[in-house]
Amino acid sequence: EVQLLESGGGLVQPGGSLRLSCAASGFPFGTYAMSWVRQAPGRGLEWVSSISGSGGVIYYRDSVKGRLTIARDNSKTTVSLQMNSLRVEDTAVYYCAKHAKGWGMVDQWGQGTLVTVSS
Amino acid sequence: QSALTQPASVSGSPGQSITISCTGTSSDIGNYNYVSWYQQHPGKAPKLIIYEVSARPSGISHHFSGSKSGNTASLTISGLQAEDEADYYCASYRNSNTPYVFGTGTKVTVL
Repeated sequence: EVQLLESGGGLVQPGGSLRLSCAASGFPFGTYAMSWVRQAPGRGLEWVSSISGSGGVIYYRDSVKGRLTIARDNSKTTVSLQMNSLRVEDTAVYYCAKHAKGWGMVDQWGQGTLVTVSS
Repeated sequence: QSALTQPASVSGSPGQSITISCTGTSSDIGNYNYVSWYQQHPGKAPKLIIYEVSARPSGISHHFSGSKSGNTASLTISGLQAEDEADYYCASYRNSNTPYVFGTGTKVTVL
């Protein structure tokens, strides 16, 4: 059974930092691309960042470039999101997501972790 | 990095069929059969219900079906049930500097 377990969310002041982590199990982790997807309160799903199975290909949405950094450790089957210079508009539930068919689909989701950026 | 376009809300009575549209471009829906649909109940993570335009994952009811024409994909819910009341999101692979894009989301209400 595939499991994705996020951790690291919490309350942080504007300009602060947080590190989200996603522990994966139940599938050959290094074979699959992973993404972070967020959902602001009362809003829709928004793709944030993706990393290929090897870690060699990385994508970010424009609004987070230079502030968020995605990484993976295939030996520990974890993917992380280092979040710096956080803004109020980064407030959201952050989901860890597993791709399938290359980048073609997200077939598994974690339960999400809430990040609140507020003074 | 614009989202795919969905209607904000769709409603129907129990037993009826409803269809949700999802409009993209030739960079995503129009040229790739990697269209997925997700169901999300309040406070829960999204759940995959359709992938590759019309395929259903194991355990997903046959009353969900998907199709595509040109740059527009569609999700049809046949025989609407109370438990189908949820938010629905389409998504697609996109050939650009962002590999995956979601729709704006549609709230389905069962009257």
